[in-house]
Parts: sequence; C-alpha cells; structure tokens
Amino acid sequence: DAKTTQPTSMDCAEGRAANLPCNHSTISGNEYVYWYRQIHSQGPQYIIHGLKNNETNEMASLIITEDRKSSTLILPHATLRDTAVYYCIVRVAWAGNKLVFGAGTILRVKS
Amino acid sequence: DVKVTQSSRYLVKRTGEKVFLECVQDMDHENMFWYRQDPGLGLRLIYFSYDVKMKEKGDIPEGYSVSREKKERFSLILESASTNQTSMYLCASSSGQGSPLHFGNGTRLTVT
Repeated sequence: DAKTTQPTSMDCAEGRAANLPCNHSTISGNEYVYWYRQIHSQGPQYIIHGLKNNETNEMASLIITEDRKSSTLILPHATLRDTAVYYCIVRVAWAGNKLVFGAGTILRVKS
Repeated sequence: DVKVTQSSRYLVKRTGEKVFLECVQDMDHENMFWYRQDPGLGLRLIYFSYDVKMKEKGDIPEGYSVSREKKERFSLILESASTNQTSMYLCASSSGQGSPLHFGNGTRLTVT
C-alpha cells in the first residue's frame, strides 16, 4: 500500500470548515483513499473513501486531486465533537488486506 | 448503521490465563478482523476471516488463535496470556472488496 503523509496536528475554530490534507504521491491506479478518525478511547470510525472522483456524505467531503497524489478531507462545520485523530489510508480494494494506520493528524476544534 | 460490538470494554487477567475476546456484528458482513493498538505502533492485524470457519494470519498471530463458527461472531483467544499482550484490542468487519472496515469500541486488556 502507498505511504501517506499528514500534518501532525491542526486547530480549527468551532463552526468553521476543517480541511485536512493528505499526501499520497506514490498511489497506484487501483488504490483507494480512505479516511478514518479515532476519538479518544474509542475504535476508529470510518468517514469516507474514494478512488478518483470527489465524494460527499453526511459526515464529510473528500477532494482528490486530478493526479491523485493528494487529497483533502473537509468537515464543513466542525464541532467540538470532531476533535480526534484523523487517518488517511491508501489501499487496494481487497478488504481482507491489512489496514495500515500511520500517525494521523490530531485535529483540535476550539470554541 | 453497522454495529460491531465487543463483549468487554475493560478486562484484567493474570499471566497464563486463557482469555476470550468476543466480537459480534449485525450487518451480515463476510469479513471480520482482529487488530491490536499500541502507542507508537499503530494498529496491527492479528487475524482475519473472510467466511465462516475460515481464518488467515495477519502480521502478529503468535500467541493468538481465532474462532468463527457463525458469520456474525469472531472470537480472539489468548491461549496463555502474557504481559506483552496488554493492549487495546479492536474488532472490525466489512462486507467485501473495497468496502470500508467498521470497528467496535475496543477491549482494553491488562495482563498482570
């Protein structure tokens, strides 16, 4: 699976959009971009995933650049409950494959 | 919503005990996984199963075994618990190729 690079931490004001970047310059054509988050003392929570096109669901939007070498997760109106570690993972579609979590980005939403 | 339920949030066991960690999912998912999470090491895959009675070793299977007798249930067994198995254990499930994993809230196991 391709390696990802994320900033160590970010701050965001409550009610503002949180934009979390991820670099995955070695991504291959059959690899998806997945985003998870982990709130303290809980299991990782799936947020969104995509292959080429931008994706949106009730939680977030995923913007993938045209060359697929980077992506941005957007939380449109961050709340205090969105404070968590956010992981960007790139992997092939076979779900039985190992899911390699890097260090992620600590997002702190502040009032 | 997918629900993955782990039987215990916190567990304390003694060295040498046999330990059972249970996981149940309610979405008829084919694939189930056991990970452990340790500070600085991230999540590491112990075992996974893609069908009833089927299992595959992950990255760190030593000291563990698994059982999947029913589709919804995946058990992790520590045959003889040791202190280096003190960790957060996470169960997950997914429905198939490309599908995301859905995790339970974890079991924090302490072996003394």
